[in-house]
Amino acid sequence: EAQVTQNPRYLITVTGKKLTVTCSQNMNHEYMSWYRQDPGLGLRQIYYSMNVEVTDKGDVPEGYKVSRKEKRNFPLILESPSPNQTSLYFCASSDGLPNQPQHFGDGTRLSIL
Amino acid sequence: AQKITQTQPGMFVQEKEAVTLDCTYDTSDQSYGLFWYKQPSSGEMIFLIYQGSYDEQNATEGRYSLNFQKARKSANLVISASQLGDSAMYFCAMSTEYNFNKFYFGSGTKLNVKP
Repeated sequence: EAQVTQNPRYLITVTGKKLTVTCSQNMNHEYMSWYRQDPGLGLRQIYYSMNVEVTDKGDVPEGYKVSRKEKRNFPLILESPSPNQTSLYFCASSDGLPNQPQHFGDGTRLSIL
Repeated sequence: AQKITQTQPGMFVQEKEAVTLDCTYDTSDQSYGLFWYKQPSSGEMIFLIYQGSYDEQNATEGRYSLNFQKARKSANLVISASQLGDSAMYFCAMSTEYNFNKFYFGSGTKLNVKP
């Protein structure tokens, strides 16, 4: 089954404790992206990657890091999480063609205390 | 700058009636794509329908259709014969020729279908 898998689905942690949210896709997509969703703001792009070792900032990259060492994986790293990073996070992938939608993971709900 | 605007934070519709969710967009690019996604209370993002800027006909997918008015820069989603399972958050999104891998999302519309 074609899918984007994120882990964990839920995480409650404390300020300053480094965390990683993993994302893996099995569709051989070149393009992957991370979004955060906040009430009233929709989804905002954090980082995206157009291929292995190629990443770029989205609209809200501050406080986040990413890496793309393999085509299928695109982890999101919060080196020193803060409460304003409490949000619902989505990983997405696509083949990059103009008429193709992004395929989303099921989301990760992060709470930073 | 690229922007998507959804002006209806919440809407109600009676079961079996049709409903239109509004979406306006702003871009100076000539080639772009417009997408609608559904987010049920369980949280996942479900792709519904796509419209390309050069498509002459409005897109349709089952009970979903996209009312595309290019001159007005609007891409409204029409759901016919609403069902209780249509109760969800709906997001309009756009990507453009500047970077088709970069999606811009609206703030969403929460649709409630009443029995």
